[in-house]
Amino acid sequence: DSGVTQTPKHLITATGQRVTLRCSPRSGDLSVYWYQQSLDQGLQFLIQYYNGEERAKGNILERFSAQQFPDLHSELNLSSLELGDSALYFCASSVDVGTSVYEQYFGPGTRLTVT
Amino acid sequence: SQKIEQNSEALNIQEGKTATLTCNYTNYSPAYLQWYRQDPGRGPVFLLLIRENEKEKRKERLKVTFDTTLKQSLFHITASQPADSATYLCALLGGGKLIFGQGTELSVKP
Repeated sequence: DSGVTQTPKHLITATGQRVTLRCSPRSGDLSVYWYQQSLDQGLQFLIQYYNGEERAKGNILERFSAQQFPDLHSELNLSSLELGDSALYFCASSVDVGTSVYEQYFGPGTRLTVT
Repeated sequence: SQKIEQNSEALNIQEGKTATLTCNYTNYSPAYLQWYRQDPGRGPVFLLLIRENEKEKRKERLKVTFDTTLKQSLFHITASQPADSATYLCALLGGGKLIFGQGTELSVKP
């Protein structure tokens, strides 16, 4: 158990809908990362938050947004869903002191299926 | 363009042998490199981190080397066991974020 929790485990929804994925980092970790993993794309970095502020952005679509709350939990919002958004979405957390990046601890993931 | 490449084909070895996985990168100058293990449908699990000034790092049956001249890291599992079967990902810091390779699937046969 990594200490990172994600809900829900599975999500099935229709095209055009909006969903919210939730992540609670390990106790003491200030950074939260979101990744998308599909069969043909590997693990793709979406976005990072550090202590409530956006720190780094990857190939995140404009239809996707995230935020980190004062209690450090994070939410990833996916809207106008398309079939191609079906994937495993992972959250990871890291202690990240200052500008250094440390090893990341991944949650169990949310499997999103868009029908 | 920046790229991380791992053995694209699955690696099949016999139990007890040493598995060697390769991670090559171009157009990066990472301060460190990390290796993760991922089982099907589960999140990656951190294994080892090696810094640019370290040539080699060991942890139990795992060994990682890092050659910044060749731009390559090798990941070794000695005395491999069927329980080592998984996908192994290398990751390095690029542009302020961790970039993952596609992973190499390792299968250890009894």
